[in-house]
Amino acid sequence: QSALTQEASVSGTVGQKVTLSCTGNINNIGSYVVGWYQQISHGAPKTVMFGNSLPSGIPDRFSGSKSGTTASLTISGLQPEDEGDYYCSTWDYSLRAQVFGGGTKLTVL
Amino acid sequence: QVQLVESGGGVVQPGGSLRLSCEASGFILSSYGMYWVRQAPGKGLEWMTFLHYGGSNKHYADSVKGRFTVSRDISKNTLYLQMNSLRPEDTAVYYCAKDGDYHGSGTYPVDYWGQGTLVTVSS
Repeated sequence: QSALTQEASVSGTVGQKVTLSCTGNINNIGSYVVGWYQQISHGAPKTVMFGNSLPSGIPDRFSGSKSGTTASLTISGLQPEDEGDYYCSTWDYSLRAQVFGGGTKLTVL
Repeated sequence: QVQLVESGGGVVQPGGSLRLSCEASGFILSSYGMYWVRQAPGKGLEWMTFLHYGGSNKHYADSVKGRFTVSRDISKNTLYLQMNSLRPEDTAVYYCAKDGDYHGSGTYPVDYWGQGTLVTVSS
């Protein structure tokens, strides 16, 4: 069981806005910066959000936010190439470890 | 630009050993902490180890503590993962990844990932 909880699957149509969530507790999301990673067709992960900062080369339709112990990744204007698995991660103070969510499978209809 | 290139994966028998390498370019290894993260077939990402930018502090997941050792060679800008007493459940793609925080302590997320190297533990 993952320390961070993500939806198993989310779907949306091209152009739609979708939001993925990542829920933890005060020892992890509530206290530390959250990263979001995209994995397409079981390839290498790619960082798409770092706190609320967009890494170089990532389209600005991706945005990140956090409220309390829940972090969110929003994709505004969903594109077919956004389909894939998305993972969140952060540091957990009590576990003394980087923890990952179980991943969300995003389907573009 | 930042690049991470892993090598050293392969097939090994249970109880065997393997050493993975991760050649880094585009940044100085001694300025950033480094992670090893693995992904078992059909499963999610799992953090394995973190090597502090100073090179001395190391953190391990409970599942590999005492069996895996992370190290680096600054002169080669290369990170290593020595894996001993391998078990079938260690079968996974292993990724090296860079800490996003300059002189960070491992509490920041990853900003760059390698392409991964597959380790298969099987008799």
